[in-house]
Amino acid sequence: RKEVEQDPGPFNVPEGATVAFNCTYSNSASQSFFWYRQDCRKEPKLLMSVYSSGNEDGRFTAQLNRASQYISLLIRDSKLSDSATYLCVVLPSGAGSYQLTFGKGTKLSVIP
Amino acid sequence: SAVISQKPSRDICQRGTSLTIQCQVDSQVTMMFWYRQQPGQSLTLIATANQGSEATYESGFVIDKFPISRPNLTFSTLTVSNMSPEDSSIYLCSVDRGRLEAFFGQGTRLTVV
Repeated sequence: RKEVEQDPGPFNVPEGATVAFNCTYSNSASQSFFWYRQDCRKEPKLLMSVYSSGNEDGRFTAQLNRASQYISLLIRDSKLSDSATYLCVVLPSGAGSYQLTFGKGTKLSVIP
Repeated sequence: SAVISQKPSRDICQRGTSLTIQCQVDSQVTMMFWYRQQPGQSLTLIATANQGSEATYESGFVIDKFPISRPNLTFSTLTVSNMSPEDSSIYLCSVDRGRLEAFFGQGTRLTVV
């Protein structure tokens, strides 16, 4: 089983739609979780951390389900500028950032 | 945040040659990291570069193929040696600020022909 698995997509959604991505991870000792965003031909950038209680940042909501070992990202009212690849990232307990494990990413295209 | 300048941004190289990628950070950092992102694949850590000591390589990566320098706390280089088409990839340097957030350089898109 791969360490971090994501549906590669692409997810093609119209502007204003709500879209959700899931990500599963295999290491039950993982303690920190993140979503990164990578625009085409650009470097990845942190979108948001994922907390056990779930967290929201504007139109973006991230949730963690430890029992099932998956995290999710929900984007409401999609904008054209949301088009990007979204990387699911996990980190084992006590590890430094050099041990970040990246998923392959889910590609989102928001269509006018 | 961290400002990381990476160059070259892209290059096309002949097989058998070597390319050195440079990464400059706007402030001192203890560790710098080098990643590879092959088409359709996830980011894979190549090695961790510490100033004053030899780099630590991940499984599947060796110093002869990917020599790394770290002459000071703001600069590092990665060399891709004796290149083959399989080395065509995006190479990224990265640092953290102690808060588990990874900051990346703009990446080097390498094509080996």
